[in-house]
Amino acid sequence: GENVEQHPSTLSVQEGDSAVIKCTYSDSASNYFPWYKQELGKGPQLIIDIRSNVGEKKDQRIAVTLNKTAKHFSLHITETQPEDSAVYFCAAALNTGGFKTIFGAGTRLFVKA
Amino acid sequence: ETGVTQTPRHLVMGMTNKKSLKCEQHLGHNAMYWYKQSAKKPLELMFVYNFKEQTENNSVPSRFSPECPNSSHLFLHLHTLQPEDSALYLCASSPQLSPLNTEAFFGQGTRLTVV
Repeated sequence: GENVEQHPSTLSVQEGDSAVIKCTYSDSASNYFPWYKQELGKGPQLIIDIRSNVGEKKDQRIAVTLNKTAKHFSLHITETQPEDSAVYFCAAALNTGGFKTIFGAGTRLFVKA
Repeated sequence: ETGVTQTPRHLVMGMTNKKSLKCEQHLGHNAMYWYKQSAKKPLELMFVYNFKEQTENNSVPSRFSPECPNSSHLFLHLHTLQPEDSALYLCASSPQLSPLNTEAFFGQGTRLTVV
């Protein structure tokens, strides 16, 4: 079945610096890759997603890149702010006739002021 | 707020108790999900419902019993749980059960502690 690996598990950056989180997936049939942000005491919230027919997508300070050949996708946050501190999850979605989203283990991001 | 509401927010139960978790959404979504979130582990999909019909059961022990009476409500009935079942249980919904429209909206979760 699908397996999603996420690195690093913890990331600490200085305010204003960039943060990069990387994920790999195993099933080449996966075609939808969402990223979720989970703040303390809350459920995950979608922040950006990318489908397999594009290689890059950007939304203000957040961007996601996808390399289908290598089965890698990454989240890039520029000009980080303290409110970006949270746990970030990548996921890969596969339509197997049912539906299944497989999540990575999460990256805890600390942005130091 | 995401539009997905879970109750209770916190639950402590003994191993012989029976309790239920509730989730509701009024977003008009047709698919609803239960996930288990344990510390330092990926989110684990437990159950998927599409138009009130269960479409996925990820080898979840029978001590967890889901119920979906309509597209807006989802329950997770718990009985004779084990301490290792302690986790954050998240409910989610999405418009359709398809990768083409897959944004999932999560509730805030129920923090369950089994003693």
